[in-house]
Amino acid sequence: NAGVTQTPKFRILKIGQSMTLQCTQDMNHNYMYWYRQDPGMGLKLIYYSVGAGITDKGEVPNGYNVSRSTTEDFPLRLELAAPSQTSVYFCASSYSRRSRRETQYFGPGTRLLVL
Amino acid sequence: TQLLEQSPQFLSIQEGENLTVYCNSSSVFSSLQWYRQEPGEGPVLLVTVVTGGEVKKLKRLTFQFGDARKDSSLHITAAQPGDTGLYLCAGTNAGGTSYGKLTFGQGTILTVHP
Repeated sequence: NAGVTQTPKFRILKIGQSMTLQCTQDMNHNYMYWYRQDPGMGLKLIYYSVGAGITDKGEVPNGYNVSRSTTEDFPLRLELAAPSQTSVYFCASSYSRRSRRETQYFGPGTRLLVL
Repeated sequence: TQLLEQSPQFLSIQEGENLTVYCNSSSVFSSLQWYRQEPGEGPVLLVTVVTGGEVKKLKRLTFQFGDARKDSSLHITAAQPGDTGLYLCAGTNAGGTSYGKLTFGQGTILTVHP
């Protein structure tokens, strides 16, 4: 298994541009999450999904959109990029939340710089 | 909104020293996780604690969940340079509409010098 993969690894955007961050998992996990991590900080939840066709907002959803058309893929869309969106973005997945010991598996991250 | 306060934010020690990282909240969590993150990589789960007072050991790392499930600690004995990294605590409330959403502390950057 490749686990959780993210593309691209690094991207520079100009203010106002748009882009899609890709996330794919091959573990047949139902739950998927998008987090952002600012320098020296913990992770904050942007959006999450509990299955194909079902998404919901997290703590910091403004400026982002998501979709979940398949179990494997959970792309994050940035519209009208702003400098405040400069961050490292992590995608994660887990099978379910029936157990309190359920593990979330994280991808390697996408580093985004908005200038 | 649930918050997790992690301390200290930075820790620089010599090889062989002991250290403790704290994770505190005014909210109750049903589970508390500790992650380690290396530069350029995503967080990797070290341990999950779910019961008040629970203690888990992972080689030289000891994790404890507070009796009231509002706080946790990570203790490293005889730190080694390979322990260097960012340590994150994260809490969650299982069931209902929580859907496994994690609330992260701000992290502790640990540097162990040879």
